[in-house]
Amino acid sequence: DIQMTQSPSSLSASVGDRVTITCRASQGISNYLAWYQQKPGKVPKLLIYAASTLQSGVPSRFSGSGSGTDFTLTISSLQPEDVATYYCQKYNSAPEITFGQGTRLEIK
Amino acid sequence: QITLKESGPTLVKPTQTLTLTCTFSGFSLSTSGVGVGWIRQPPGKALEWLALIYWDDDKRYSPSLKSRLTITKDTSKNQVVLTMTNMDPVDTATYYCAHRRIWFGELPFDYWGQGTLVTVSS
Repeated sequence: DIQMTQSPSSLSASVGDRVTITCRASQGISNYLAWYQQKPGKVPKLLIYAASTLQSGVPSRFSGSGSGTDFTLTISSLQPEDVATYYCQKYNSAPEITFGQGTRLEIK
Repeated sequence: QITLKESGPTLVKPTQTLTLTCTFSGFSLSTSGVGVGWIRQPPGKALEWLALIYWDDDKRYSPSLKSRLTITKDTSKNQVVLTMTNMDPVDTATYYCAHRRIWFGELPFDYWGQGTLVTVSS
């Protein structure tokens, strides 16, 4: 089975900072990588799919990159409303769909 | 617009079978390329994918839970049902259903239900 490992598990940054979260797949997954944002007590929200395609309505300060095994989610200028836990996901179902363990993002 | 809503018991006893229903609107599971999946999240923990069913009745399951899961669809009622047997306290979680589709390959879950918390306790 393919494991998705995110780093860091948590981070604290200041408003306006550039924030990067990484996700590593234990095997190559092409670009079948999505990023979700989950605010406390809320439903996960799709931010990015195909590693770098921004979902409609998502602010342009969010961006994604990578292919194969190494992927990144970048927030170019952190905003207070970005406080959330972020999950990467291998989303093609062969052989299974897998989520990372999550990265909790806080404001310093 | 697309909406999904989960329903089912909030409390089940260990060893019982859990049956959850996802009722949706804004799309049809008879439309080519459409799928509905189930994902769960134990309190304070990460998301875990459980099962997925497509318009053509293609079914996919998490390998680690496959022996306990069954997913079915009722296209006429716009519903997807998930059953999980032999429930255990570690299965306590919020259970979500979500929409996805195939467009030049599979796409991720883009619309999610609000989730339903299921507690397993005697």
